[in-house]
Amino acid sequence: DTAVSQTPKYLVTQMGNDKSIKCEQNLGHDTMYWYKQDSKKFLKIMFSYNNKELIINETVPNRFSPKSPDKAHLNLHINSLELGDSAVYFCASSHGPMNSGGRRDEQFFGPGTRLTVL
Amino acid sequence: DAKTTQPNSMESNEEEPVHLPCNHSTISGTDYIHWYRQLPSQGPEYVIHGLTSNVNNRMASLAIAEDRKSSTLILHRATLRDAAVYYCILSGGYNKLIFGAGTRLAVHP
Repeated sequence: DTAVSQTPKYLVTQMGNDKSIKCEQNLGHDTMYWYKQDSKKFLKIMFSYNNKELIINETVPNRFSPKSPDKAHLNLHINSLELGDSAVYFCASSHGPMNSGGRRDEQFFGPGTRLTVL
Repeated sequence: DAKTTQPNSMESNEEEPVHLPCNHSTISGTDYIHWYRQLPSQGPEYVIHGLTSNVNNRMASLAIAEDRKSSTLILHRATLRDAAVYYCILSGGYNKLIFGAGTRLAVHP
């Protein structure tokens, strides 16, 4: 069973289009995250949700709108796609939003969605 | 967010121990030290984390300096599957991972 899954795995689209990436976790976690890995391979946190509420928003353009219909899902919708949005997007989840020192702090990452904007 | 400094790359031979260093001189008292790794074409994978004391798990050991300004990830016997980019990350109250460039580990047969 896949712990954190993302769809689609690959997404190729034209500039200006609107697209969504879906993420689901079956680990029973309360907290979910979106990260972006650009062409230089730097991974940056974008958003974090805890129990469907936004708790971290790392100054991401408002063209990016995360939506959490329930604790197990965190989708990412991107409006008016730009060339610079091309990257690999990773979803992750953890038990809770705060560091506590135990294995509950571990973040589980999905396989990534490679977005290419032409 | 406190920063970490790691060597860009390291090499090891299979079945030898590997010590991956990380400097974090601006660490605060509430920062946990996390290590994740990313295998080629995969998402990051948790390795280990700690606060003050050394930590061991089935994957690795984490040695934390007494002043907490540096730490070392120890892979006891490197395998080819351990070739990856290893990230040392400080994370305070919120479990928010700020990834740096990491250390690319090559393992030779």
